[in-house]
Amino acid sequence: EPEVTQTPSHQVTQMGQEVILRCVPISNHLYFYWYRQILGQKVEFLVSFYNNEISEKSEIFDDQFSVERPDGSNFTLKIRSTKLEDSAMYFCASILAGGTNTGELFFGEGSRLTVL
Amino acid sequence: AQTVTQSQPEMSVQEAETVTLSCTYDTSESDYYLFWYKQPPSRQMILVIRQEAYKQQNATENRFSVNFQKAAKSFSLKISDSQLGDAAMYFCGFTGGFKTIFGAGTRLFVKA
Repeated sequence: EPEVTQTPSHQVTQMGQEVILRCVPISNHLYFYWYRQILGQKVEFLVSFYNNEISEKSEIFDDQFSVERPDGSNFTLKIRSTKLEDSAMYFCASILAGGTNTGELFFGEGSRLTVL
Repeated sequence: AQTVTQSQPEMSVQEAETVTLSCTYDTSESDYYLFWYKQPPSRQMILVIRQEAYKQQNATENRFSVNFQKAAKSFSLKISDSQLGDAAMYFCGFTGGFKTIFGAGTRLFVKA
């Protein structure tokens, strides 16, 4: 069964360092998302991406965050200068858009980011 | 603005019993989907059940069913014959357009 894959599963970084989290969405999906979950808290929407550009972003997604789809398969989230409060689980998700769209998000297993 | 509210941070149920998790939402959209996702300790969120807003009939998936009250903007999840494997965080989600937002979650404990 197709699935969303994320790497790394866990990354530890020093405050101020740049981090890139990678995702491979399901191949025929057209919308891609990043969500963030601070430990034990709600899953927060960060950004949605369609047709090689951001379609919507939340107030959390400030200038230190960026996303791109560098090739036909990967979808990345970059945090330029990490802060302690960026420590969280980051989930990538994708959705099939079009005639058979059911609205269901398919999630990856997440990348845990720890900022020291 | 769209919001999703889960008013129960934690719930507990005896194995084989029934439990209902509450969810309310607010939106001005007329066409949307509602979801319940389960997040077990292994972390990945998986879909439990889905409801299209235009459908009046409540969705059912085996032991899971919803009570969708569109006018009241309420979307509760009922788990029948609870099993130990049902223990997890449950997130209510709203999809309008192509963005899904989630409530704060309800942690379900299942007692043997």
